[in-house]
Amino acid sequence: EVQLVESGGGLVQPGRSLRLSCTTSGFSFGDYVINWVRQAPGKGLEWVGFIRSKVYGGTPGYAASVKGRFTISRDDSKSIAYLQMNSLKTEDTAVYYCTRDLGLLSAFDIWGQGTMVTVSS
Amino acid sequence: QSALTQPRSVSGSPGQSVTISCTGTSSDVGGYSYVSWYQQHPGKAPKLVIFDVSKRPSGVPDRFSGSKSGNTASLTISGLQAEDEADYYCCSYAGSYTLVFGGGTKLTVL
Repeated sequence: EVQLVESGGGLVQPGRSLRLSCTTSGFSFGDYVINWVRQAPGKGLEWVGFIRSKVYGGTPGYAASVKGRFTISRDDSKSIAYLQMNSLKTEDTAVYYCTRDLGLLSAFDIWGQGTMVTVSS
Repeated sequence: QSALTQPRSVSGSPGQSVTISCTGTSSDVGGYSYVSWYQQHPGKAPKLVIFDVSKRPSGVPDRFSGSKSGNTASLTISGLQAEDEADYYCCSYAGSYTLVFGGGTKLTVL
């Protein structure tokens, strides 16, 4: 069964850091682009960023709202993607989902269950 | 990058058809064939129902269809069923390796 499981969420103070993990199974992780999408409480979906698969260069890209603060990486040997979040703001409070991409920023066919990040003092 | 524009809510009776619009610009919806649609039930992760404007993933009923004209994409659900009641989001490639979502539409089955 294809699965993505996010972990690492929690309560964090503004200005601090947090790292989320997306642990995958059931498919050839290294062949796929992985995205992160977030959803603030009661709000819509917001694309956060992505990391290319090795065939596309393995490099990340980001939404303007998080560029310079968030870093996406991947460990193909462990089938895990990461979202390192620095200088967190209250507006980063959201459920964070990792997703598998059908291609390169085409569509997300598999989603994790999400992990909640609350930024508050 | 501004969010794509969707109606806040739409409704229909069982068996009817509803269409949800998603309006962007020539820099996103109008410029690429990478429009996707997601269904989200309360408390659940989103689910892909349409990709590449009009393609359906396996397992998605053919009651769901997608199209695009100019800068506006549309999701049509025919033969409405109670389980279709959910939030729906469109998403489009927006150039320069970025994506943009719509604000979401709440579908109520009367």
